[in-house]
Amino acid sequence: NAGVTQTPKFRILKIGQSMTLQCAQDMNHNYMYWYRQDPGMGLKLIYYSVGAGITDKGEVPNGYNVSRSTTEDFPLRLELAAPSQTSVYFCASSRGLAGGFVYEQYFGPGTRLTVT
Amino acid sequence: GENVEQHPSTLSVQEGDSAVIKCTYSDSASNYFPWYKQELGKRPQLIIDIRSNVGEKKDQRIAVTLNKTAKHFSLHITETQPEDSAVYFCAASGGGADGLTFGKGTHLIIQP
Repeated sequence: NAGVTQTPKFRILKIGQSMTLQCAQDMNHNYMYWYRQDPGMGLKLIYYSVGAGITDKGEVPNGYNVSRSTTEDFPLRLELAAPSQTSVYFCASSRGLAGGFVYEQYFGPGTRLTVT
Repeated sequence: GENVEQHPSTLSVQEGDSAVIKCTYSDSASNYFPWYKQELGKRPQLIIDIRSNVGEKKDQRIAVTLNKTAKHFSLHITETQPEDSAVYFCAASGGGADGLTFGKGTHLIIQP
């Protein structure tokens, strides 16, 4: 099992450019998440998905879009990149819920994005 | 929404001593509380978690305690070692699908 994989590892964007951060998991997890981590801070939820075709906004969704066409993949799209989107982006996955409790989340290695 | 406060932001302890990191949460519906360790440039790694139906959980040198009444939970690391140096994050989840709310992290420094 590769677990959760993310590409690219690093990227530099110019203001106004667009890009897609890729995330894939091979654990057959239903739940997938996108977080961003700013320097010296905790992670903040951008978007999440409970299954193919179902996505919802997290705490900081502005400037991002997601899609979930398969169980395995959960890409994050940045449109019109801004310096405020400079951050490290982590994708995570989880089996879902059982008995009212969430299962643990597994994180990918992250994508370090700089917008200049 | 949920709000998680974490203290201290930096903790320096002598090798072999114990370290305690504390978190408080605001949403009484939260029922899952994981702790993550993050080394520089790496992904967060789950080290221990606790669900609201138990008050304490231990795994070798690491333990977590939960006080639902006071809405706080703590990470305890005993017999600290140099490899324990990292940033530790607490988080909370309300039992739904909507992800984790993280604290701002504690930079744990183990002094030789």
